[in-house]
Parts: sequence; C-alpha cells; structure tokens
Amino acid sequence: RKEVEQDPGPFNVPEGATVAFNCTYSNSASQSFFWYRQDCRKEPKLLMSVYSSGNEDGRFTAQLNRASQYISLLIRDSKLSDSATYLCVVYSGYSTLTFGKGTMLLVSP
Amino acid sequence: SAVISQKPSRDICQRGTSLTIQCQVDSQVTMMFWYRQQPGQSLTLIATANQGSEATYESGFVIDKFPISRPNLTFSTLTVSNMSPEDSSIYLCSVSSGQMGTQYFGPGTRLLVL
Repeated sequence: RKEVEQDPGPFNVPEGATVAFNCTYSNSASQSFFWYRQDCRKEPKLLMSVYSSGNEDGRFTAQLNRASQYISLLIRDSKLSDSATYLCVVYSGYSTLTFGKGTMLLVSP
Repeated sequence: SAVISQKPSRDICQRGTSLTIQCQVDSQVTMMFWYRQQPGQSLTLIATANQGSEATYESGFVIDKFPISRPNLTFSTLTVSNMSPEDSSIYLCSVSSGQMGTQYFGPGTRLLVL
C-alpha cells in the first residue's frame, strides 16, 4: 500500500460546484496533515493544516478521520482560480513530509 | 511564512556536467530541505540540510551525486553532479516553520538535461 494515496483525477467541475477530494495514508503514527495547492509549473503552497478532526477556512473544509486513516478536502462554490493540483501531505515526525501524487481540479465557466 | 528564493530558476545543461542550485531564505531557519519533482510526479525528498552538520540523505540519494552545502542559517546549495537526462526535474528547497511539520517552498529550479 502506498504511503499517501490520492485519486489523480482530473476532476472537471463547473463554476459554483462543490467538489471533494479524498486521501488515505498508511502510517497510523502520522501526526499532522496538510493540503497544498500546486499550480502548473509553480511550487506547492500551503492551503490548510489539519491537526485535529478538521479545519475550515472560507470555502475550504478539511476533515480528518484517524480511525480510517483518511483525510478529505471539500471546496464549495468553486472558482475558476481553484483550478490546480491539490497535494495531500502527511507529517510523521523527524521533519519529514510524505506527499501524495496530487489530485487535479479543472473548474470550467 | 518565510520568503524563499532559488537560483537559477531554470537551466538547460549537457549530460556529464554539474549544476549548483542556490536557496536563500529571508530569515534564519534550522532545517532546510531539498526535493525533486519529476514530470507528472509528486515531490520526493532528496536530503535534509542542517547548518553545521552533514546533510541527511534519503534512500536512493547519495552525497556524491547530490552534494549539499549549508554554510549558514539562511542559505543552502544543492549540486546535481554528472548529470544525465534522468536528472531532468524540478528541484525545490523548503524550510520548516517549526509548527508540526509545516514547510514552505521556494519557487523551484527547472532543469533539463540534454
């Protein structure tokens, strides 16, 4: 089983839609979790940190289920500018991050 | 978050040559990291660079191929040695914020080896 697994997509949604991405991780000792956004040919940028059961920031909601080793990202009212690749990232200590391969989102007019 | 810059932003190199990538941070940080992102793939950690000690390399990466310097708390270099086309990738440095694993990334160096 891969350490961090994501559906690669692409997810094609219209503007205004709600879309959810899922991520599973294999290390039960993982301590914290992140969603990064990566635009084409750019560096990853931190979108949200998830330390407890979940986190909400405007249109973005991240949820964590430790029992199922599962993290999700929900985007409401999608904007064209949300088009990007969303990386699920897991921190398991010793300053080491493990990255998923990312889920591509395409928001169309 | 820290402001991170990298030089060069991109380069095209001939096989067999070496390229040194610089990473500069606007504040002092204990740990800096070097990643590689190959086309269509996610990020893979190459090594962790700590000031005043040898870099710690991940499995599959060795110092002879990717020597790293960390002369002070705001600067690091990664050298890609004896390059081959398989080294074509984006190379990214990052720094830890100290908050439970949060890292911030530089803009990356896009390398193409012919």
